[in-house]
Amino acid sequence: DAGVTQSPTHLIKTRGQQVTLRCSPKSGHDTVSWYQQALGQGPQFIFQYYEEEERQRGNFPDRFSGHQFPNYSSELNVNALLLGDSALYLCASSLRWGLRDEKLFFGSGTQLSVL
Amino acid sequence: DQQVKQNSPSLSVQEGRISILNCDYTNSMFDYFLWYKKYPAEGPTFLISISSIKDKNEDGRFTVFLNKSAKHLSLHIVPSQPGDSAVYFCAASAPYGGSQGNLIFGKGTKLSVKP
Repeated sequence: DAGVTQSPTHLIKTRGQQVTLRCSPKSGHDTVSWYQQALGQGPQFIFQYYEEEERQRGNFPDRFSGHQFPNYSSELNVNALLLGDSALYLCASSLRWGLRDEKLFFGSGTQLSVL
Repeated sequence: DQQVKQNSPSLSVQEGRISILNCDYTNSMFDYFLWYKKYPAEGPTFLISISSIKDKNEDGRFTVFLNKSAKHLSLHIVPSQPGDSAVYFCAASAPYGGSQGNLIFGKGTKLSVKP
């Protein structure tokens, strides 16, 4: 049973560029959440998708956007990259939205470096 | 302002002894708490959780204690094993946060268990 898969594993971009990160949830999961983990920090919630809609959003600017596809996979897009966007981006999936005891399963993340 | 604080960046313990990892929170609305473990180059994995209606939850070698009046929780690992060496994140969620997708994480504590 495949867990949460993310691609690419590493990415190097230049300031001002745009980036797209991809995530496939664990088999059977329908909800995807994205987190940003800066160096030395804990993961910080970006947003969550369920039924192809953004359901919750953390304190991130509109440069961060996402999408969920009918097969539950998801993309995170970041426009106008800043040096401070350099971080590990984690995707997490769960079974359904609204149930607070559902466990999150994390992927290994995409390490984004902005130069 | 950090709502979930792990004030010890690192902890070193001898194999077979007890490891105690601490976590403090400031938001009294938090009612669900979780611990995640993270190995290098892997995503966080769920370890154990506790609801605010309880003060203790056990799962094998892992026990989480919650002191709501002090807004403090701790994770006990007994006995500690070298394979427990990892970064441990404390996380919390509030009712208005919806499902587990919206978690507030601490900065983590790096546990080293020495043989």
